[in-house]
Amino acid sequence: GQQVMQIPQYQHVQEGEDFTTYCNSSTTLSNIQWYKQRPGGHPVFLIQLVKSGEVKKQKRLTFQFGEAKKNSSLHITATQTTDVGTYFCAPDLTNSGYALNFGKGTSLLVTP
Amino acid sequence: EPEVTQTPSHQVTQMGQEVILRCVPISNHLYFYWYRQILGQKVEFLVSFYNNEISEKSEIFDDQFSVERPDGSNFTLKIRSTKLEDSAMYFCASRRQAYQPQHFGDGTRLSIL
Repeated sequence: GQQVMQIPQYQHVQEGEDFTTYCNSSTTLSNIQWYKQRPGGHPVFLIQLVKSGEVKKQKRLTFQFGEAKKNSSLHITATQTTDVGTYFCAPDLTNSGYALNFGKGTSLLVTP
Repeated sequence: EPEVTQTPSHQVTQMGQEVILRCVPISNHLYFYWYRQILGQKVEFLVSFYNNEISEKSEIFDDQFSVERPDGSNFTLKIRSTKLEDSAMYFCASRRQAYQPQHFGDGTRLSIL
């Protein structure tokens, strides 16, 4: 399967600081999705990236897909306490079921 | 906005007992999934279901597990003889088409005693 590595595993920032999480694969990905999971909650879809070099923005969140489609990143500018949670990258598995292959996630803690 | 609904929210069961976790996917979705998440760990794929049959399953999904879509709305996961290590949060998800976002339910927390 298409295994992905996410770094860092944990990140603790002061409110207002920036935050970046990275997702790396040894194989070329067809696409990648990003999900956010609040403590005690379920994964919530954030974005899907499909094209090589694609960059998408959602307010303070910037998502990138590498030129080789082997890595992706999520950058949050000026974090807020509402950004707390675990961010997962998840490419589609290349199989008939199109299931998601979640990374281990990056847990973000933001303190005021 | 349509949601994936899961019941029960919490299930406590004795080891060796059978459990059935229930899900109602979004009505016009065609692909259905079960995932599990052991406390503090990542979300793991169990099984995908399309066109009334299993399309893919992971190594976790052994003979103790089965899925069913008994009618046009429900999608169930059965664990025949539960083990302690089956304790986890089980998420159901659905999507309209391949390569579209998956929508997750709130999950069922399964506790095996």
